[in-house]
Amino acid sequence: GQQVMQIPQYQHVQEGEDFTTYCNSSTTLSNIQWYKQRPGGHPVFLIQLVKSGEVKKQKRLTFQFGEAKKNSSLHITATQTTDVGTYFCAGASNTGKLIFGQGTTLQVKP
Amino acid sequence: KAGVTQTPRYLIKTRGQQVTLSCSPISGHRSVSWYQQTPGQGLQFLFEYFSETQRNKGNFPGRFSGRQFSNSRSEMNVSTLELGDSALYLCASSFSGGSNNEQFFGPGTRLTVL
Repeated sequence: GQQVMQIPQYQHVQEGEDFTTYCNSSTTLSNIQWYKQRPGGHPVFLIQLVKSGEVKKQKRLTFQFGEAKKNSSLHITATQTTDVGTYFCAGASNTGKLIFGQGTTLQVKP
Repeated sequence: KAGVTQTPRYLIKTRGQQVTLSCSPISGHRSVSWYQQTPGQGLQFLFEYFSETQRNKGNFPGRFSGRQFSNSRSEMNVSTLELGDSALYLCASSFSGGSNNEQFFGPGTRLTVL
């Protein structure tokens, strides 16, 4: 079945360093969504990418959707302690399901 | 607007028992999806209900079932509980469901099976 792989599983960075998480699908996606889950919390929607090669920015966060619509990335510039949490990508299949990646847990050392 | 609510928040059961979890979506949302979250497996899709009909289903055994009521509230039932069913169960609502809409997650129900 369709799989969405996300790497790395964990990332520890010093505050101020950059961070990137990557998402790869075994099949072409109709769209990809990104969510953030704070420790002890629930996933919260960040953004949705739909178009091939799309790039969207939210302050220090940059989201990209690959040209083939099979991969995506989230890049955070100059991390802050408030960025701590687990970031999930979720790929939309043509069956109408959202398939979540395993998530990347980000720890930021002040 | 009130968010997605789930009850109960915590539950402890023993193997072989059954459990029912409840989810109330955001007012006006007609789609409710259920996910199982475990440390090793991430978020696994269980099923989606829209207007009282199951619209999509993940790869879980028949012990996992759900339903949706006319007011869009949804319940999930797990019968004959196994130790491996211990997880955080999240429900998410969206206006029209499917995979093209932002999902609003509830706080989850933490189920522990002893």
